[in-house]
Amino acid sequence: ETGVTQTPRHLVMGMTNKKSLKCEQHLGHNAMYWYKQSAKKPLELMFVYNFKEQTENNSVPSRFSPECPNSSHLFLHLHTLQPEDSALYLCASSQDGGRSGTSYEQYFGPGTRLTVT
Amino acid sequence: DAKTTQPTSMDCAEGRAANLPCNHSTISGNEYVYWYRQIHSQGPQYIIHGLKNNETNEMASLIITEDRKSSTLILPHATLRDTAVYYCIVRVAKGAQKLVFGQGTRLTINP
Repeated sequence: ETGVTQTPRHLVMGMTNKKSLKCEQHLGHNAMYWYKQSAKKPLELMFVYNFKEQTENNSVPSRFSPECPNSSHLFLHLHTLQPEDSALYLCASSQDGGRSGTSYEQYFGPGTRLTVT
Repeated sequence: DAKTTQPTSMDCAEGRAANLPCNHSTISGNEYVYWYRQIHSQGPQYIIHGLKNNETNEMASLIITEDRKSSTLILPHATLRDTAVYYCIVRVAKGAQKLVFGQGTRLTINP
């Protein structure tokens, strides 16, 4: 248990469906992240949220829509996905060292295994 | 962030020390060396990080060369549960920073 939970753990959806992935962290962190891991590829960052504000969007298609209502929760809304979007979606959180230059590690959830049919 | 180079795979016998090398010859003075691992189909797990001094925690030791161009992660007494992909990442310490994962080293611990 890392203190980061993700639901659902597995999701199968059709290309016309709309679904949401949920991430919750119980660590008191103020930064949250979405990563994508496709088969046999390295993890790729999708989004970064810091104090509920999006600070990075790694050229992610608009069919992926993140939402961060507070520092403990992060959502990824999915609509009209493609089969190539099938992957493991990982959420992470960390403390934010801000300008102090302190470096903090990221804690990852177990991931949501998404299959688009 | 500086690029890292790691061997694609390594094997180690159970109970022996596993030494995983990483080259980061273009590392900048303000970049830290981080190690994470990912056991099959799970989220990555933080192991250890350091700037220039050697570091040790309950999981592993990190040895960084004096010129900081390479480092070695040491698992002192490897167990079967240490079989995983190990990632060496260098990054600056500045706020909420993304991690850039490479292919990592697939470490297999053999009984």
